[in-house]
Amino acid sequence: NAGVTQTPKFRVLKTGQSMTLLCAQDMNHEYMYWYRQDPGMGLRLIHYSVGEGTTAKGEVPDGYNVSRLKKQNFLLGLESAAPSQTSVYFCASSYLYMGPEHSTGELFFGEGSRLTVL
Amino acid sequence: AQKVTQAQTEISVVEKEDVTLDCVYETRDTTYYLFWYKQPPSGELVFLIRRNSFDEQNEISGRYSWNFQKSTSSFNFTITASQVVDSAVYFCALSEATGDYKLSFGAGTTVTVRA
Repeated sequence: NAGVTQTPKFRVLKTGQSMTLLCAQDMNHEYMYWYRQDPGMGLRLIHYSVGEGTTAKGEVPDGYNVSRLKKQNFLLGLESAAPSQTSVYFCASSYLYMGPEHSTGELFFGEGSRLTVL
Repeated sequence: AQKVTQAQTEISVVEKEDVTLDCVYETRDTTYYLFWYKQPPSGELVFLIRRNSFDEQNEISGRYSWNFQKSTSSFNFTITASQVVDSAVYFCALSEATGDYKLSFGAGTTVTVRA
């Protein structure tokens, strides 16, 4: 059972290059999220989606774009990479909440993608 | 706006000692969810517990226990008789109960258990 899969796992970019991180989930989850993790700052939400065809900004959206063309996939794009975007990126998905008695409310995370921008 | 504060950056203990991780949160929501996640050195995020704001009952799971106090907006986590395998970064997180259910994370506490 794959769960949440992120590709690639590692990538090194030069400033100004573009790239796309792919997140795929096989749990039929409605909600998907992209977080970045930086030392001493925890995980910060970049963008998220509450369903196919929808996206919304999180806490730190600048410099990133996302798309959710298919329910199972959530893409994170960097149009012009900057050194400040060096980070570990985590994708997560969760059930559509029916109420606290119906859902654990747990986010299922991918293994992370380490991106270095030189 | 939601905010989660984990004031302890790093904690180092000797095996078999107990360790308590503090988590203080802020929210204007009356209904919300609190979580703890573990991130071992391998990097993945492991779900530990979810607590609903309307359920203040404390919980114990093996060597792990959680103390939720709504009056002080705290959701502390205790590892009893720590083991080397408990060495990890632990994150406390808060989610609204309506809308988009986004998780807001604390900065994390790094726990090192020495043999």
